[in-house]
Amino acid sequence: EIVLTQSPGTLSLSPGERATLSCRASQRVSSDYLAWYQQKPGQAPRLLIYGASSRATGIPDRFSGSGSGTDFTLSISRLGPEDFAVYYCQQYGSSPRTFGQGTKVEIK
Amino acid sequence: QVQLVQSGAEVKKPGASVKISCEASGYTFTSHSIHWVRQAPGQGLEWVGIIRSSGETTSYSQNLQGRVTVTRDTSTNTAYLELRSLRFEDSAVYYCARRGSGSCDLDYWGQGTLVTVSS
Repeated sequence: EIVLTQSPGTLSLSPGERATLSCRASQRVSSDYLAWYQQKPGQAPRLLIYGASSRATGIPDRFSGSGSGTDFTLSISRLGPEDFAVYYCQQYGSSPRTFGQGTKVEIK
Repeated sequence: QVQLVQSGAEVKKPGASVKISCEASGYTFTSHSIHWVRQAPGQGLEWVGIIRSSGETTSYSQNLQGRVTVTRDTSTNTAYLELRSLRFEDSAVYYCARRGSGSCDLDYWGQGTLVTVSS
């Protein structure tokens, strides 16, 4: 199965700053089927990005995804107070689908 | 609007079984696959299994193979997750989620069902 490694584990930033999260796959992700999810405490995950770079419905354009093959990035251009959360990448191009371990974006 | 509403929290003893439901509304139930994902307390997300839109194909995590079954009832637009021979480490929040259209991934999620395995 494909192992996804996210870095950093925790990102401490101030509101208004830019966040850059990394997700590296142990093998090529088929069709660049890589998604990013945001999860806040006590809530279900929310789909942000699919197909490596397509924003899901209703997601603000400050969220962007890039990358292909084995290296992917989620960028948040200007952090709003509601963006402090845990972010997971997930590949769904190969079975079984697998998740990264998560990156926590916390207020500095 | 699309909604996935899950059944309530469960407390089970080791070795018992649990069956969780996920009632879908707001879309054509048979047009989308349903996935199950779990999250142990304070941990990350783990994929559990899928029932495809055809309803004829299921697939499961190797970690749970043989103990888990996903089914659906198209008359009530409800998907089910059954987990047998429960272990302490099965304690988690279990989520159902809909696979979106085309290359879109899990675009709608249920609210989660907490399963606690305790003696």
